[in-house]
Amino acid sequence: EPEVTQTPSHQVTQMGQEVILRCVPISNHLYFYWYRQILGQKVEFLVSFYNNEISEKSEIFDDQFSVERPDGSNFTLKIRSTKLEDSAMYFCASRRGGNEKLFFGSGTQLSVL
Amino acid sequence: ELKVEQNPLFLSMQEGKNYTIYCNYSTTSDRLYWYRQDPGKSLESLFVLLSNGAVKQEGRLMASLDTKARLSTLHITAAVHDLSATYFCAVVESGGGADGLTFGKGTHLIIQP
Repeated sequence: EPEVTQTPSHQVTQMGQEVILRCVPISNHLYFYWYRQILGQKVEFLVSFYNNEISEKSEIFDDQFSVERPDGSNFTLKIRSTKLEDSAMYFCASRRGGNEKLFFGSGTQLSVL
Repeated sequence: ELKVEQNPLFLSMQEGKNYTIYCNYSTTSDRLYWYRQDPGKSLESLFVLLSNGAVKQEGRLMASLDTKARLSTLHITAAVHDLSATYFCAVVESGGGADGLTFGKGTHLIIQP
């Protein structure tokens, strides 16, 4: 079964450093998302992306965050200057369209020291 | 602001018993999802519910949606240990082009032999 793949699975960084989290959505999907989950808490929406532009973003997704689809397969989340509170599991998700299921990747655990 | 509330948040039950998890949400919604998450793992899509009165079943799990009451239920029949996990409901708000999911806090389910 096709799946959303994310790399790396774990990322450790120093506060103030830039990180890029990478995702390869399912190939015929058109809608792409980033979510995060702080340990033991609920999953939070960050941003959705469709037709090469952001379609919706949450309050969490401030100027420190950006997303890009640099080619036909990758979808990236960049955090420009990481803060301690950015430590979380970051999930990429994709769906084909309409009212179809939203598939999540296995996540990148980001630890900011 | 859309609020999604699940109850109970913790549930310990014995194998063979039936139980229901409830998900209430505060505004009108286009779509409601149920997900399962095992510890340290990603989110596995269980159901997408789109319309009032929708009912979907997969194995021992059955989900339903009442849009008038803004309530969805996830019913577990004759529980088995393998169903131990955290279950999340997530809702997309109607209108305005909203696309991000708002998640509940999750129901941590333990099924004991």
